[in-house]
Amino acid sequence: AQKITQTQPGMFVQEKEAVTLDCTYDTSDPSYGLFWYKQPSSGEMIFLIYQGSYDQQNATEGRYSLNFQKARKSANLVISASQLGDSAMYFCAMREGLPGNQFYFGTGTSLTVIP
Amino acid sequence: EAGVAQSPRYKIIEKRQSVAFWCNPISGHATLYWYQQILGQGPKLLIQFQNNGVVDDSQLPKDRFSAERLKGVDSTLKIQPAKLEDSAVYLCASSSRTGPNEKLFFGSGTQLSVL
Repeated sequence: AQKITQTQPGMFVQEKEAVTLDCTYDTSDPSYGLFWYKQPSSGEMIFLIYQGSYDQQNATEGRYSLNFQKARKSANLVISASQLGDSAMYFCAMREGLPGNQFYFGTGTSLTVIP
Repeated sequence: EAGVAQSPRYKIIEKRQSVAFWCNPISGHATLYWYQQILGQGPKLLIQFQNNGVVDDSQLPKDRFSAERLKGVDSTLKIQPAKLEDSAVYLCASSSRTGPNEKLFFGSGTQLSVL
């Protein structure tokens, strides 16, 4: 089974609007971390936001927030007030507590912000 | 703080040739990863080091790929001989610890084209 599933290959959003990028995960480890990375056309992976499995509140980082629904095993990224510079690939990732602390990535969602 | 350094940035070779990539992680980061990212896909783990020991190399095609991390600092990934399907971006990442909340820091990657 896939550890991380991103079902939206591509998304479009109007500038200044909000957009939600979906991510579901699969793990039996009670301790895990969920991450979102942005990859612009330059290729570098840029960390955006982190959510721990024991965190009670949804994580927020500026215009980024993570809609964490533990029972549904989903960790959707919400970008508010989209900007042209947000156009990029977005990857959801998970790190399990044990045994080897592997970092699993999804297949990514390509976001295009339309002026 | 200096980031993860990778070189070269681009490499073009013919099939059956050999190629090597170099990575210098962030100072003090014990864990180092090599990922392969084929166009349009998420990063796939090739090998994970903890200091100079291998934690996971289950997805490394060992008949042609090799990696080492001497002295637990910088690392080299080699492909010999290269195949057309090895065309991809090779990303190096590091983290300071292996807890579930430890994010990865990525280098800019090496884009390999095998002709």
